Amino acid sequence: NAGVMQNPRHLVRRRGQEARLRCSPMKGHSHVYWYRQLPEEGLKFMVYLQKENIIDESGMPKERFSAEFPKEGPSILRIQQVVRGDSAAYFCASSPPSTGGVYGYTFGSGTRLTVV
Amino acid sequence: SQKIEQNSEALNIQEGKTATLTCNYTNYSPAYLQWYRQDPGRGPVFLLLIRENEKEKRKERLKVTFDTTLKQSLFHITASQPADSATYLCALRAGDYGQNFVFGPGTRLSVLP
Repeated sequence: NAGVMQNPRHLVRRRGQEARLRCSPMKGHSHVYWYRQLPEEGLKFMVYLQKENIIDESGMPKERFSAEFPKEGPSILRIQQVVRGDSAAYFCASSPPSTGGVYGYTFGSGTRLTVV
Repeated sequence: SQKIEQNSEALNIQEGKTATLTCNYTNYSPAYLQWYRQDPGRGPVFLLLIRENEKEKRKERLKVTFDTTLKQSLFHITASQPADSATYLCALRAGDYGQNFVFGPGTRLSVLP
């Protein structure tokens, strides 16, 4: 009964490269949320997805960032042409379809992105 | 503008005492408020949920209150232990299904032996 799996745990990219962050939700969960956490700051909402649908992307930067949650496979957060300011911990959370996360999100351990 | 604030970045208390953490919000009307615990290098872990029509919720040594008039939630840990040292986050959501939870900045609690 694995929890939310995120990989890689650590990712180093040079400026201008692409970063791909993966998230497999808990079994039975079809809602996925991505959050970003900067050092000494709180979690900032980025995007909320259900299978094959983006429900709310109000927290996503307009450029270079995209997210998907295909019918098969993990959710992917993609950052193109990374810049130093993208360095952060990116957390994925999931919840069952019937609760909307009211009874708590299950978070993964995060991917720590470092842009050099 | 909408804002969630949590009391002082860090709180130090002596083992055995009660820790009280606050979560204040402005320009939200949350139907649900949650509390999470986050340890360094890990993702947050859900602790408790309280609804807008509930005044208080308890779980073992944890107690949460929710005052929608004051726009405030209090999170208490009684008989605190060094193992309770962590960052505690509050999160809230308006009533409509399909919206995400918004998180406060967190309070780092240190319980000293």
